[in-house]
Amino acid sequence: GQNIDQPTEMTATEGAIVQINCTYQTSGFNGLFWYQQHAGEAPTFLSYNVLDGLEEKGRFSSFLSRSKGYSYLLLKELQMKDSASYLCVSMDSNYQLIWGAGTKLIIKP
Amino acid sequence: NAGVTQTPKFRVLKTGQSMTLLCAQDMNHEYMYWYRQDPGMGLRLIHYSVGEGTTAKGEVPDGYNVSRLKKQNFLLGLESAAPSQTSVYFCASSKDDRVAGNTIYFGEGSWLTVV
Repeated sequence: GQNIDQPTEMTATEGAIVQINCTYQTSGFNGLFWYQQHAGEAPTFLSYNVLDGLEEKGRFSSFLSRSKGYSYLLLKELQMKDSASYLCVSMDSNYQLIWGAGTKLIIKP
Repeated sequence: NAGVTQTPKFRVLKTGQSMTLLCAQDMNHEYMYWYRQDPGMGLRLIHYSVGEGTTAKGEVPDGYNVSRLKKQNFLLGLESAAPSQTSVYFCASSKDDRVAGNTIYFGEGSWLTVV
């Protein structure tokens, strides 16, 4: 079956760095995406990886290893507004999006 | 700047009642989707449409029906609501499926409670 695994909840301190891991098992692979979702709101796109390696975008970076079925989202210089759920999403061979349950990130002052 | 608009935003239904969630997009997108999001679970696809007049089942279609009579509108119907359908519903649209991962646009969500 198709499956996305990511931690349910993580806590970090304002100004610090946090890494959110994700492992995926999908039928084929057409990309790995990270979304941010604040409570009561719709998901918003953060990053996209289709080749192995690190993609950096400001304070956020995302890494992909296709051979390991593994990705992580790295958030630097954490701000209180980064408190949200982070959703790992894989696209399978039929271009269907498979959504993880999300990691709730709690930022403490 | 409307993007994807869904109504209503909140609704309480009694078991057995019917209702329709409305979704409209103004981006001329071919693909439209209805998802539900439950605590501890990822977004799950209910139904989707690849163009006007077409619909297809997603991962959890039972208890729901959809229609896409006009390209800009995608309706989700609950014929006989059940408590298990209490959820947050998101409508979304994309230009096509291949770019949906990073160019999918969501509505603001509809909170449905069935008592």
